[in-house]
Amino acid sequence: EVQLLESGGGLVQPGGSLRLSCAASGFTFSSYAMSWVRQAPGKGLEWVSAITGSGGATYYIDSVKGRFTISRDNSKNMLFLQMNSLTADDTAVYYCARERAAQGDIDYWGQGTLVTVSS
Amino acid sequence: EIVLTQSPGTLSLSPGERATLSCRASQSVSRSRLAWYQQRHGQAPRLLIYDASSRATGIPDRFSGSGSGTDFTLTISRLEPEDFAVYYCQQYGSSPPTFGGGTQVEIK
Repeated sequence: EVQLLESGGGLVQPGGSLRLSCAASGFTFSSYAMSWVRQAPGKGLEWVSAITGSGGATYYIDSVKGRFTISRDNSKNMLFLQMNSLTADDTAVYYCARERAAQGDIDYWGQGTLVTVSS
Repeated sequence: EIVLTQSPGTLSLSPGERATLSCRASQSVSRSRLAWYQQRHGQAPRLLIYDASSRATGIPDRFSGSGSGTDFTLTISRLEPEDFAVYYCQQYGSSPPTFGGGTQVEIK
């Protein structure tokens, strides 16, 4: 059974940093591109970042470029999102997600971790 | 980036009725790379349809997708109680991937 378990969310002040983690199990992790998708409270879904299975290529939405860094450790089946210079606009539930066949659509989602940026 | 507009914003229907949800793209979606997701309250999204018309694993055949270019449709042939939720379309043919604003299907 595919499982994705996020951790690392919480309350952080504007300008602060957080590192999200996602523990994957139930599939060959290194064979799949992975993404982070966020959802602000009461709002829709927004793709944030993606990384290829090997980790050799990464992609970001413009609003987080230069502030967020996606990475993975295939030896530990872990996905990460380092978030710096956080603003209130980054407040959201962040979902770890597996891309189906590296096409960009997502066939498995974690339950999400809430990031709140507030003073 | 491609903007996806979903309509209607809210659809009020009764169990057993047919639901038709629309997703319109601001430009053509490459290779019909469009997906539909269902999100029940308090839960993570679930993939229903990919590549515009292919059902994901384990999805009942009452869910079907159609369309190409800029106009796509998700049809639920007969609504079951568990189908009342929010539905999102997503295009992944162009970077960045983008989502529509969602359609809420509520019980009439």
